[in-house]
Amino acid sequence: DTEVTQTPKHLVMGMTNKKSLKCEQHMGHRAMYWYKQKAKKPPELMFVYSYEKLSINESVPSRFSPECPNSSLLNLHLHALQPEDSALYLCASSQFYRGSGNSPLHFGNGTRLTVT
Amino acid sequence: GESVGLHLPTLSVQEGDNSIINCAYSNSASDYFIWYKQESGKGPQFIIDIRSNMDKRQGQRVTVLLNKTVKHLSLQIAATQPGDSAVYFCAGTVNSGYALNFGKGTSLLVTP
Repeated sequence: DTEVTQTPKHLVMGMTNKKSLKCEQHMGHRAMYWYKQKAKKPPELMFVYSYEKLSINESVPSRFSPECPNSSLLNLHLHALQPEDSALYLCASSQFYRGSGNSPLHFGNGTRLTVT
Repeated sequence: GESVGLHLPTLSVQEGDNSIINCAYSNSASDYFIWYKQESGKGPQFIIDIRSNMDKRQGQRVTVLLNKTVKHLSLQIAATQPGDSAVYFCAGTVNSGYALNFGKGTSLLVTP
């Protein structure tokens, strides 16, 4: 079992819906990440939060809105998505965002999103 | 930015053989690399990492080799087992942070 928990596991939504993806970790990590993964492709970075502040936004469309309510939780709010946004959305955490040590990302099992 | 890629999209090995998965990177400033294993329906699972001040690191049945001169990374899996069948990604850091750029992935198939 992964130490990063994502809910829901599967989500089907229409293009006019508003939904949220949730991610939780209790490892005391201070950096959290959202990645998007299309079928048979590598994960692509979307957002990075460090100490609950947004550090990186990889030019993600505004229909994706991240939120970090506290150091353990990360949300991704979805609104007016397109069918091409269908993908596996992965959450990850690491002890820190920057440093000289070894701080690998720990991933959840993702939310499989289908936009109809 | 970092560009991390793999030489082969698929690799088929017999159970018990050793596997070698290769990865090339383009950004000489990258200083931290990780290998991940991703099974169907799951998120990437950490296998082993290495900093650029090392050229070799060993784990349980796995070894990562880093050649900074030619910007090449490899993952060696000893005595490959059916449970090793998965997609393997190498990933490297960007701008001294831990946010990772992933390579394209190699699908490893272990046959009995």
